[in-house]
Amino acid sequence: GALVYQYPRRTICKSGTSMRMECQAVGFQATSVAWYRQSPQKTFELIALSTVNSAIKYEQNFTQEKFPISHPNLSFSSMTVLNAYLEDRGLYLCGARQGTEVFFGKGTRLTVV
Amino acid sequence: QQKVQQSPESLIVPEGAMTSLNCTFSDSASQYFAWYRQHSGKAPKALMSIFSNGEKEEGRFTIHLNKASLHFSLHIRDSQPSDSALYLCAVSMKGGRALIFGTGTTVSVSP
Repeated sequence: GALVYQYPRRTICKSGTSMRMECQAVGFQATSVAWYRQSPQKTFELIALSTVNSAIKYEQNFTQEKFPISHPNLSFSSMTVLNAYLEDRGLYLCGARQGTEVFFGKGTRLTVV
Repeated sequence: QQKVQQSPESLIVPEGAMTSLNCTFSDSASQYFAWYRQHSGKAPKALMSIFSNGEKEEGRFTIHLNKASLHFSLHIRDSQPSDSALYLCAVSMKGGRALIFGTGTTVSVSP
């Protein structure tokens, strides 16, 4: 079956520092990977959509300078939160697409102190 | 920019009853409509999806889409305590574009 692993599951970083999170598709090749942030109020915000060999499309309020994404192959993507502050806290989820279906990992929970 | 809203925000349903969830979207060019369920601490998981107007039933779950009204819904028949979760509707445009999620509905099914 199609599975998506995200690592780490939880992380705490000091305000102003950066942290990198990873997303691995297992059992399938993802045609695209989308990164989301789920706020403490449970709302999902789309950060960016990444398709291998294409430009990464960032949504309004999110930039490459703040959330650089690497997507080197069809099964792996990583995103870094640069210069993290309190408003960056939340659950970061990746959704990997196979055909019309999108499979999600359990997310990386970021706490900023 | 696509806006996806859900109602109600939360719902308490007695076991065995019908749960009805609503989702509205703003972009009439949307082509793919899905419902996801997220149990606490777990990954969101797709429940059902639909492309064209009408109704689709899978087991206890029915999805209904009315593109002209920019609305789709999820109905859960014979609700069970295990159905208690956060329900998210999602919409996307054609061509593998990213899913845009709704604001979520928290469902609690009381035994």
